[in-house]
Amino acid sequence: GNSVTQMEGPVTLSEEAFLTINCTYTATGYPSLFWYVQYPGEGLQLLLKATKADDKGSNKGFEATYRKETTSFHLEKGSVQVSDSAVYFCALRWNYKYIFGTGTRLKVLA
Amino acid sequence: NAGVTQTPKFQVLKTGQSMTLQCAQDMNHNSMYWYRQDPGMGLRLIYYSASEGTTDKGEVPNGYNVSRLNKREFSLRLESAAPSQTSVYFCASSEEQGQGSNQPQHFGDGTRLSIL
Repeated sequence: GNSVTQMEGPVTLSEEAFLTINCTYTATGYPSLFWYVQYPGEGLQLLLKATKADDKGSNKGFEATYRKETTSFHLEKGSVQVSDSAVYFCALRWNYKYIFGTGTRLKVLA
Repeated sequence: NAGVTQTPKFQVLKTGQSMTLQCAQDMNHNSMYWYRQDPGMGLRLIYYSASEGTTDKGEVPNGYNVSRLNKREFSLRLESAAPSQTSVYFCASSEEQGQGSNQPQHFGDGTRLSIL
């Protein structure tokens, strides 16, 4: 079946450090891929998405590229800020359903 | 611009009590979803409604029922609450355009439910 695997956290970085959160997926067909962010006490918010192979989603300095050959959708940011501290979820959509990874907590220290 | 609204935000129940969680969206979306979020397990789909008038089971439907009251509203009912149902519950909606749709989901802020 379809599944999403993302790196376990927490990830702790200093401000202005480079961020990578790994995400790989297993799916039949060609799903759409998403990254969501969750701040404390809130629901998930869409961060970025990609709908086909080699697409790059980007938003607020975050980027992720849909890699069909490695079935991956890694999240990157060149310089993190304290305000980026949150939980990040990788997800895929196929046939009306969304499958989420377990989430990666990011803590950015000033 | 409310988006997805969930009520209540917090609730404490005793084992065996019943309760309905309410969800409403104002984006004219066709599809609505209920998830539960538990530590270390991400989000797990309880039930979803691909369109008004239809509902389907997700990954963890046991102990829950749902009603798609109209296009806007999708409620989740716990008939006899158990401590294992202590969780944070999220409602979401999306604009569907068929199986190949790439539309994202929009989430409410969650209901934090504790069952003693």
